[in-house]
Amino acid sequence: GIQVEQSPPDLILQEGANSTLRCNFSDSVNNLQWFHQNPWGQLINLFYIPSGTKQNGRLSATTVATERYSLLYISSSQTTDSGVYFCAGMTGNQFYFGTGTSLTVIP
Amino acid sequence: KAGVTQTPRYLIKTRGQQVTLSCSPISGHRSVSWYQQTPGQGLQFLFEYFSETQRNKGNFPGRFSGRQFSNSRSEMNVSTLELGDSALYLCASSTLSEIGYTFGSGTRLTVV
Repeated sequence: GIQVEQSPPDLILQEGANSTLRCNFSDSVNNLQWFHQNPWGQLINLFYIPSGTKQNGRLSATTVATERYSLLYISSSQTTDSGVYFCAGMTGNQFYFGTGTSLTVIP
Repeated sequence: KAGVTQTPRYLIKTRGQQVTLSCSPISGHRSVSWYQQTPGQGLQFLFEYFSETQRNKGNFPGRFSGRQFSNSRSEMNVSTLELGDSALYLCASSTLSEIGYTFGSGTRLTVV
């Protein structure tokens, strides 16, 4: 199966700071999504981004499919951004998840 | 529109029992996938259904099974529960395969 490396594993930020999360894939994927897992366990879809760049408010994501990596940018972080962020690549109708980045934003 | 609905939200079962979890996808979504999340193994793929056909299955023992009905609702069943089956079980749906999946809130299963 595909190996997904996420970095950093843990991140502590002061409110207002910016951050970049990275995801590397061992092989090409057909679908790539970024998720935020809320305290109740639900995976909230942030971006569907198999290639290119997308922005949604303070969040943006870039995927360079030819080099098999994706980046998630969080600008002007807020305490509500805290939680675990996962990237996942799909091939063969199956998501391969990274191990997540645990983000803590302190006021 | 309504999201992906998973029932029940929480479940406590005894070792050796069996359990059935339910997933109702977003209306119009025909692909339904199931994942298991544990602290030790992370998020792992169980199986994927499209139009009532299982197209892919993860590396889980035969005690784990599933099905999809004609209205796209899906169920997964775990027989002869083991303590290690305690996990958050997540269901996801999509209109087409490999395009923009939406996850439900999950069912948290505890086996005692």
